Amino acid sequence: DAKTTQPPSMDCAEGRAANLPCNHSTISGNEYVYWYRQIHSQGPQYIIHGLKNNETNEMASLIITEDRKSSTLILPHATLRDTAVYYCIVRPGGPYNTDKLIFGTGTRLQVFP
Amino acid sequence: GAVVSQHPSWVICKSGTSVKIECRSLDFQATTMFWYRQFPKQSLMLMATSNEGSKATYEQGVEKDKFLINHASLTLSTLTVTSAHPEDSSFYICSAGTFFGPGTRLTVT
Repeated sequence: DAKTTQPPSMDCAEGRAANLPCNHSTISGNEYVYWYRQIHSQGPQYIIHGLKNNETNEMASLIITEDRKSSTLILPHATLRDTAVYYCIVRPGGPYNTDKLIFGTGTRLQVFP
Repeated sequence: GAVVSQHPSWVICKSGTSVKIECRSLDFQATTMFWYRQFPKQSLMLMATSNEGSKATYEQGVEKDKFLINHASLTLSTLTVTSAHPEDSSFYICSAGTFFGPGTRLTVT
């Protein structure tokens, strides 16, 4: 079973920041937080991951609370192409770990003009 | 970055026939790959773990004799849907490491 909880849907105006929350209150010390998104009829796209420090890359920022029980994915300037289902997943180990990724129901983000 | 490919991207087959889907890691070796299935408006459901050089590990409720997995090399895993039926119509996605393939849309008529 997925170990994360996300709101089923969110809206965001184009050009504004999209802040997608995720609760993972039972996260273990060795588990990383991963974010993926899936645009309709495509495979999931990796966005970002983190352990306990905040992370930023060219796509997004990941803010993890100090107790690691929740996190927020931030898309700083949402565009219409960011409309997708966003999945927050916890999994042991970093990106080279071979453990499976278990998907929850995700958040459907709709970016509107 | 690393890329995972799938072939074919879509396939239509008749009921009772078998279909093979390939998953390749293009610029890295993967001893473990994963196969997922996704029905419309649902999330990805893990079907099985593909292990190079050994038997696949199937999730509960997935028929191993129906969904044959072969991981013959460090860059290739195949999923064969045997004796396909319309209820097997779905979007099949593989992953290796952190990355996912583009998916294969299977329609069984």
